[in-house]
Amino acid sequence: EVQLVQSGAEVRKPGESLKISCKGSGYTFTNHWIGWVRQMPGKGLEWMGIIHPADSDTRYTPPFQGQVTISVDKSNNIAYLQWNSLKASDSAMYYCARRRDAYNFFDYWGQGTLVTVSS
Amino acid sequence: DIQMTQSPSTLSASVGDRVSIPCRASQSVSTWLAWYQQKPGKAPKLLMYEVSILESGVPSRFSGSGSGTDFTLTISSLQPDDFATYYCQQYNSYPWTFGQGTKVEIK
Repeated sequence: EVQLVQSGAEVRKPGESLKISCKGSGYTFTNHWIGWVRQMPGKGLEWMGIIHPADSDTRYTPPFQGQVTISVDKSNNIAYLQWNSLKASDSAMYYCARRRDAYNFFDYWGQGTLVTVSS
Repeated sequence: DIQMTQSPSTLSASVGDRVSIPCRASQSVSTWLAWYQQKPGKAPKLLMYEVSILESGVPSRFSGSGSGTDFTLTISSLQPDDFATYYCQQYNSYPWTFGQGTKVEIK
């Protein structure tokens, strides 16, 4: 069974750093791109970027370029999303999702990680 | 970027109703369109892709239609489990973009 299991909810202060994770299982992790999607409270889905675990090839969408870093530990089947300096506006639910091979949609999703940034 | 518009943002319906959820693209996405269902507090779930190909396990009361810029997700007979928010996503052009969602609520 394909599963993406994300790390737990986080509370941070503005200016702090944070790294959240997404562990894949039940499939060959290095065969599928992993994307990150933001959902702000009460809002829709925003695709942030994507990484290929085999070679760490990474793409960011323009709003998130330079704002976050996506990385991967292929030895342990884990993808990461990190911030160096959080802002209150980064408060949101973050989902990782697997891109279906040869397509550009997401077929499996993690359960989400809620990030709260507040002083 | 291609803008995906879903209107209305909320749709009220009753169990047993036939429900149509529209999605419009700002330019042609051919048939590269997916639909997701999201329930409160849960992750999105893939319903269908390439406009009308149902993901495994998705009930046949769900169907999709359209091409180019106008698309519709149809639920033939709304069930209690179907009250949720539905998002379309184009994957014709980078960056792939989602609509703002249509919430199907109980009338």
